[in-house]
Amino acid sequence: QVQLKQSGAEVKKPGASVKVSCKVSGYFLSELPVHWVRQAPGKGLEWMGGLDPDDGEPIYAQTLKGRVTMTEDPSSDTAYMELSNLRSEDTAIYYCTTGPSISVNQGVLDFDYWGQGTLVAVSS
Amino acid sequence: QPVLTQPPSASGTPGQRVTISCSGSISNIGSNTVDWYQQFPGTAPKLLIYTNDQRPSGVPDRFSASKSGTSASLAVSGLQSEDEATYYCSSWDDSLVLVFGGGTKLTVL
Repeated sequence: QVQLKQSGAEVKKPGASVKVSCKVSGYFLSELPVHWVRQAPGKGLEWMGGLDPDDGEPIYAQTLKGRVTMTEDPSSDTAYMELSNLRSEDTAIYYCTTGPSISVNQGVLDFDYWGQGTLVAVSS
Repeated sequence: QPVLTQPPSASGTPGQRVTISCSGSISNIGSNTVDWYQQFPGTAPKLLIYTNDQRPSGVPDRFSASKSGTSASLAVSGLQSEDEATYYCSSWDDSLVLVFGGGTKLTVL
């Protein structure tokens, strides 16, 4: 079955960068586009971006553009999310997620499968 | 501030029917489909409803949803203690961003 396994918790200082990995199993990474959603402590869900399957390029939330980079390594079925210039407000649980019906072009982002989440804490 | 508006809390007694609203605008709910997610503390969200009113396999038919204009709603019938969770709506916005509601914490009294 489809599984997404994320890397462990990270503690970073303001201004640093963090790279979270998401290893998929039960399917090939190239078959389903990975997206990333984060959740600050006690807060709601925030979409960060993900792969647009129609052109194979990542699409990012405007609020994070310039600081976030999403990449994939098909040889290891692993997706990565790197966030730079970290601030205290970036403290959150970061989830990778995917689904078989994702189509950015059609505005359909149904997230059927989720990783377990990775806590990133930003503190001086 | 979340783009989609949900009540922060809702409650009901076992067996009751509870509805949770989600209000958006023409650029998101008014133009695109709505999903609903269920999240228990300390766990990842789970897709509960997709494409406005469709249940993934394994989701009890006690959960139903609808969309009208720029609003959507989730209904839970025959409320059970295990339904106590936080529920989020989501929709694609034409400004090229997926937007979520702020979440509604459902309490079973």
